[in-house]
Amino acid sequence: EVQLVQSGAEVKKPGESLKISCKGSGYSFTNYWIGWVRQMPGKGLEWMGIIYPRDSDTRYSPSFQGQVSISADKSISTAYLQWSSLKASDTAMYYCARLSGSGIAWSWFDPWGQGMLVTVSS
Amino acid sequence: QSVLTQPPSVSGAPGQRVTISCTGSSSNIGATYDVHWYQQLPGTAPKLLIYSNTNRPSGVPDRFSGSKSGTSASLAITGLQAEDEADYYCQSYDSSLSGYVFGTGTKVTVL
Repeated sequence: EVQLVQSGAEVKKPGESLKISCKGSGYSFTNYWIGWVRQMPGKGLEWMGIIYPRDSDTRYSPSFQGQVSISADKSISTAYLQWSSLKASDTAMYYCARLSGSGIAWSWFDPWGQGMLVTVSS
Repeated sequence: QSVLTQPPSVSGAPGQRVTISCTGSSSNIGATYDVHWYQQLPGTAPKLLIYSNTNRPSGVPDRFSGSKSGTSASLAITGLQAEDEADYYCQSYDSSLSGYVFGTGTKVTVL
């Protein structure tokens, strides 16, 4: 079974750093792009960026470029989303998802991780 | 900000048919990029419902169907059931943004 498992919920203070993870299993991790999606409380889905674990090619949404960093460790089939200095406005649920389809521009997200809640509060 | 527009809510009685529209532009849906649909049940992660405009993944009931025309796409749910109460999102690719875009989301309520 293809599965993405995300790390547990985090509560952090403004200005702190954070790195969250997404571990893939049941498929060849290096052959598929992994994406990150944000969902703020009560709001819709926002695409943040994608990474190709085989060579760490990374693309960011203009809205998130410079705000977060996406990386991957193919040796342990894990993708990461990282902040160097969190803000209260980063409070949200974060999902990772595998891209499927022929060609980046025609691809869809499936499956999704279970989500990870990040709460940033003083 | 979403570049794909959906109605905030739609509702219907059990057994009825409802449709959800997803309106884009010439840089996304109108540029021949595929549209995909996701269902998000309360408190859970989104789940793929329709891919490449009209295709259902294994396990998705045939009550769900998708279509695309011009700069818009639609998701139809026939024989509405209580378990279909959820948020639904469309997704495509946008050449101006060089990335993926999601719709604004539609809450389906079964009366």
